[in-house]
Amino acid sequence: AQSVTQPDIHITVSEGASLELRCNYSYGATPYLFWYVQSPGQGLQLLLKYFSGDTLVQGIKGFEAEFKRSQSSFNLRKPSVHWSDAAEYFCAVGDRAGTASKLTFGTGTRLQVTL
Amino acid sequence: DTAVSQTPKYLVTQMGNDKSIKCEQNLGHDTMYWYKQDSKKFLKIMFSYNNKELIINETVPNRFSPKSPDKAHLNLHINSLELGDSAVYFCASSQVTDTQYFGPGTRLTVL
Repeated sequence: AQSVTQPDIHITVSEGASLELRCNYSYGATPYLFWYVQSPGQGLQLLLKYFSGDTLVQGIKGFEAEFKRSQSSFNLRKPSVHWSDAAEYFCAVGDRAGTASKLTFGTGTRLQVTL
Repeated sequence: DTAVSQTPKYLVTQMGNDKSIKCEQNLGHDTMYWYKQDSKKFLKIMFSYNNKELIINETVPNRFSPKSPDKAHLNLHINSLELGDSAVYFCASSQVTDTQYFGPGTRLTVL
């Protein structure tokens, strides 16, 4: 069965500093990988996804992630964090099941941004 | 022009009651899902329907029954509510196995 590990429960960075959120996955085949962001009291918004091709993917809000098969990782990065980036970030792996896809989420990383 | 909408946003009820949460999507997708987010923010899939057909049915108590009247709607009915059912329930939709888009969530509190 697939699984996702986000080792950092809580990260604090200063506004303007760079950010890297870690994600490791376990999946038998080529994974479909996602990063979602959840602001307080809100739903989940897709930041970016990897299905195939270029292993460096660009997303919204200046985020990017790199798929590294050898390390089973899909880390999220941003060169300069803004205060509005404070939120909960979830990494997920998708497992296709016929005409649906089952997402398995990590436990999330809460990002706090100090001014 | 909300893509995935859920009603109600908040639901407070007593143990033993029966309640329903409704979900609608206007993205033209044919696959819809229900996820549960517990108090520790952990998200877990419950069900998935494709064009009114049940595709994914995780280990969920049979007090939970999804119903899909058409491919744009997926409702969740919960019988005999228990304290442990308190959570945020998210609906999502996708075009078959493509990216899932989530609704705003329904916060269910069972007293």
